[in-house]
Order: sequence, then structure tokens, then C-alpha cells
Amino acid sequence: DAGVIQSPRHEVTEMGQEVTLRCKPISGHDYLFWYRQTMMRGLELLIYFNNNVPIDDSGMPEDRFSAKMPNASFSTLKIQPSEPRDSAVYFCASRTGTEDEQYFGPGTRLTVT
Amino acid sequence: GESVGLHLPTLSVQEGDNSIINCAYSNSASDYFIWYKQESGKGPQFIIDIRSNMDKRQGQRVTVLLNKTVKHLSLQIAATQPGDSAVYFCAEERYNFNKFYFGSGTKLNVKP
Repeated sequence: DAGVIQSPRHEVTEMGQEVTLRCKPISGHDYLFWYRQTMMRGLELLIYFNNNVPIDDSGMPEDRFSAKMPNASFSTLKIQPSEPRDSAVYFCASRTGTEDEQYFGPGTRLTVT
Repeated sequence: GESVGLHLPTLSVQEGDNSIINCAYSNSASDYFIWYKQESGKGPQFIIDIRSNMDKRQGQRVTVLLNKTVKHLSLQIAATQPGDSAVYFCAEERYNFNKFYFGSGTKLNVKP
């Protein structure tokens, strides 16, 4: 079992550029979550999907952020345009429909200069 | 406001000693709690969970205690090992099954 896969692991970009983060959940998991982690705010839920459908996006900070899940094995989180305050580690997690445990990926460290 | 918080940002213990990491929560309606361990450069990893109808739950070398009266959660690690060095988060489930709110974390340093 490869676990949750995220790419890239590190991303450095300039302010104003578009950033796309990618996630492959564990096969068979019905739920997918995007989190952001910063020293100031800790770990925050941005959005989650159930069976590829966005259920709750109330944690998405603003319209510059968008997330999609075109199929059960792939999701993207896009920031356009990016700003320095978006610098953080972004985690993807997934879980089954019957278990409580969420399995986290290794994260993408985003730096916006 | 409502929050999930930790009393101690950093805890240093000697290898072999027991560790206790504490967490306070403010929402009395929360009914499910998880402890996560996060090692440097990795994502959070599930350690143990507990529901509000329980006061105590034990795993391998770990025990979680829940005191609903004072809204306090603790994680006890027995015979702490160097591999236990990490940041530990408590997470509180509010309102529905999938929204968890994480505490700020406690860093555990295990001294050899």
C-alpha cells in the first residue's frame, strides 16, 4: 500500500504565479481532505470531498483557492494567483466510508516569494 | 472563542520515562477525539482515538484519558523511546463526522 501520494513535495514560486498541488488518495477511500499547516494557525481543514463531490469548502481562505476531484484517484488544489501568505505545508488525507481514521500524505511545502 | 489547545508547547523526557501530553477543548458537544503524531517532514499519523462515552482507552504503550467534566484530554506514552520524538496533536470533531479541529501541538523531545 503506497499510502496517500502528494506531488510535488516542494514548490517554490513567485507571487502572482499559479500553483497546482496534486493528491492521489488511497485506493478505495471515499473521502478526501485538503489541509493547510502553518506555524501561526496550525493544521486547518480547507475542503473535503465524498465520492468525488465537494462537501464542505468553508475552510477555503478565498476565491484564489480552488479544488477539484475529477475522479476517485486524483485531486488538485490550485492557488491563482499565489501570494507570500499562502506559504505553508499542504496536506492531503483520505479515509474510507466506514472508518474514522484519516491517512495523511507527506505534504507539499509551498513557498511563495 | 472555541478552540482546541495544548498546555505545554515543548516537553522533554528521559528515555524510558513515561510522557504525558495534555490538551484542553472548549466545545462540550464534541464527541470524538484523536491524537496524532507528526514526525519532521511527514504528515500526521493516527495514534489513538476516544469517544465521549469513554473515559479511557489503551493502545500499545499509549493511553488516552478523557475528562469531560473539565474538558481535558491527555495522552500517556509509557517507556518513552527516541522514536517517540515528534509533535503531538489532539483533534476534536465538531458538528459533523468529518470536520476536525486540531490543537497547536506539543513537541516531545526524548533524551537518551
